[in-house]
Amino acid sequence: DTGVSQDPRHKITKRGQNVTFRCDPISEHNRLYWYRQTLGQGPEFLTYFQNEAQLEKSRLLSDRFSAERPKGSFSTLEIQRTEQGDSAMYLCASSRDASSGVVRVYDTQYFGPGTRLTVL
Amino acid sequence: AQSVTQLGSHVSVSEGALVLLRCNYSSSVPPYLFWYVQYPNQGLQLLLKYTSAATLVKGINGFEAEFKKSETSFHLTKPSAHMSDAAEYFCAVRANTGNQFYFGTGTSLTVIP
Repeated sequence: DTGVSQDPRHKITKRGQNVTFRCDPISEHNRLYWYRQTLGQGPEFLTYFQNEAQLEKSRLLSDRFSAERPKGSFSTLEIQRTEQGDSAMYLCASSRDASSGVVRVYDTQYFGPGTRLTVL
Repeated sequence: AQSVTQLGSHVSVSEGALVLLRCNYSSSVPPYLFWYVQYPNQGLQLLLKYTSAATLVKGINGFEAEFKKSETSFHLTKPSAHMSDAAEYFCAVRANTGNQFYFGTGTSLTVIP
């Protein structure tokens, strides 16, 4: 399977605990995105990486959230001191940025199955 | 700024009937538009995308969408609904910089046997 994978698929934790999720993108994709999806809503952008560089963060990403992509391959999303409002599906997506100079060429984003977080 | 609006959070059709899911976009520049489908407890699967080539875009599973600039719309259609089409459908527009997507709130499709 060469798609985007996420681990774990489900996580139940108690309020105040820290959690970490992992995303493995499609191997040749240099861009990686994190989204959050709450019940009945569409995914909301959190942050994205170009290789190992984190280029943009949404205001939704409070200081309790941190994301890394140390080697430009897999990424982790950590939530510290979880709150009940953090309960959601966390989706990872990847794409290939084939831009060159001023010519921007973006490929489609492919999504992983998501990690469903429940904070009790 | 880019955004999309999906009209109708729930749509029900009979098996074999036409499926029409509505999406209107707001963008200051020619947009890149997408439709994704999400089955319960799964991630999003790309149905089709518009990238300023042909205005009528054909996707997987018999779905298609037509880009209409005059109406700022990108509605999703399928001539004949199948039970397996029951899912959540999301319209999305891509940001002009950064490539992050802005999603609509989704439309839940129910297919009645």
